[in-house]
Amino acid sequence: EIVMTQSPATLSVSPGERATLSCRASQSVYSNLAWYQQTPGQAPRLLIYAASTRATGIPARFTGSGSGTEFTLTISSLQSEDFAVYYCQQYTTWPRAFGQGTKVEIK
Amino acid sequence: QVQLVQSGAEVKKPGASVKVSCKASGGTFGSSDVSWVRQAPGQGLEWMGGIIPTLGKPSYAQKFQGRVTIIAERSTSTSYMELSGLTSEDTAVYFCARFLGGRADYWGQGTLVTVSS
Repeated sequence: EIVMTQSPATLSVSPGERATLSCRASQSVYSNLAWYQQTPGQAPRLLIYAASTRATGIPARFTGSGSGTEFTLTISSLQSEDFAVYYCQQYTTWPRAFGQGTKVEIK
Repeated sequence: QVQLVQSGAEVKKPGASVKVSCKASGGTFGSSDVSWVRQAPGQGLEWMGGIIPTLGKPSYAQKFQGRVTIIAERSTSTSYMELSGLTSEDTAVYFCARFLGGRADYWGQGTLVTVSS
């Protein structure tokens, strides 16, 4: 099974600043990588798929990059609604796998 | 617009089994797969298993092998997840999600399963 590792576990950022989140795969997942955002009490929301393609309705301040084993999600200017937990997920192989999440909190 | 509607909350005793349903409305599963993801209180997302669309067979995370059964009834657009041998560590919210091309674009509302004696 592929293991996904996210860092950091918690990121403290001020509104308007940039946030950079990392996700590493234990073996190459090519570009088969998705990012999700989850706020308390809600189901996750798809942000990015194919490593860098924004899902429908996702603002341009969310940017995904990377391939192979190293991936990054960048939020260019944090808005109040962006403070949440973010997960990466690989879909190159079965079984699928999520990272353990990065919590973006207000500094 | 696809909606995934899950069955209601469950309270189970240790050692019991639970079966949660997930019905798609406003569309069908089509060629996508429906997988199940759980989230223990205060914890992250954990992919449990799903049906491989090209094979029509399930794939399960190693952690749940032997304890979980996932089926998808395409005629009724309903998926079921059954988890046996419950312990307190299985207390969690269980989500179904439609995975199209590998990414989850639609999610159910979640079903809280509480395991308590």
